[in-house]
Amino acid sequence: DAGVIQSPRHEVTEMGQEVTLRCKPISGHDYLFWYRQTMMRGLELLIYFNNNVPIDDSGMPEDRFSAKMPNASFSTLKIQPSEPRDSAVYFCASSFLAGVGRETQYFGPGTRLLVL
Amino acid sequence: DQQVKQNSPSLSVQEGRISILNCDYTNSMFDYFLWYKKYPAEGPTFLISISSIKDKNEDGRFTVFLNKSAKHLSLHIVPSQPGDSAVYFCAAKWGAQKLVFGQGTRLTINP
Repeated sequence: DAGVIQSPRHEVTEMGQEVTLRCKPISGHDYLFWYRQTMMRGLELLIYFNNNVPIDDSGMPEDRFSAKMPNASFSTLKIQPSEPRDSAVYFCASSFLAGVGRETQYFGPGTRLLVL
Repeated sequence: DQQVKQNSPSLSVQEGRISILNCDYTNSMFDYFLWYKKYPAEGPTFLISISSIKDKNEDGRFTVFLNKSAKHLSLHIVPSQPGDSAVYFCAAKWGAQKLVFGQGTRLTINP
């Protein structure tokens, strides 16, 4: 299995531009998560999906952020317009409910975003 | 509001000695705790976990201890090896799939 795939791995953009991050979860996983990692706040959960349906988006910082999961094998996180404070590493993770206490999230390699 | 805290941003340990990474939490509803390890330019990978009904879980060189009364857990690595140098994240959850992570501790194993 290729694991969780994220693209691009690096993104440099200018303030005000739209940024789209992409994720392909592990086949068969029914949960998908988007996280943001910063020095100050560590790993923060932004949003997660179950069977392609958004379950909890309380971590999405503001309306400039949106996420979609049109099918079981693809998700996007969009920032429009982007701001310098959005610079961070964005991780996608997936998991399946194997049983209580056995859930393990598998992370992708991350997208390093720099907004100038 | 940081529900999971790792108060040591970094830790340096001699190869062969014990590494102890600490984590505190505030939410008494958490029922499952995990440790993830992260190398540079990679995503975090699952290391070990413990249910709130236990106080210890061991897997090879890695042992996690849970003290519910103190709302504290720790990860022990014995003996420490150079390949253990990484950032370690503590995480907690309750009920659903949502994980709450700490800020991470950078562990450096010195030869």
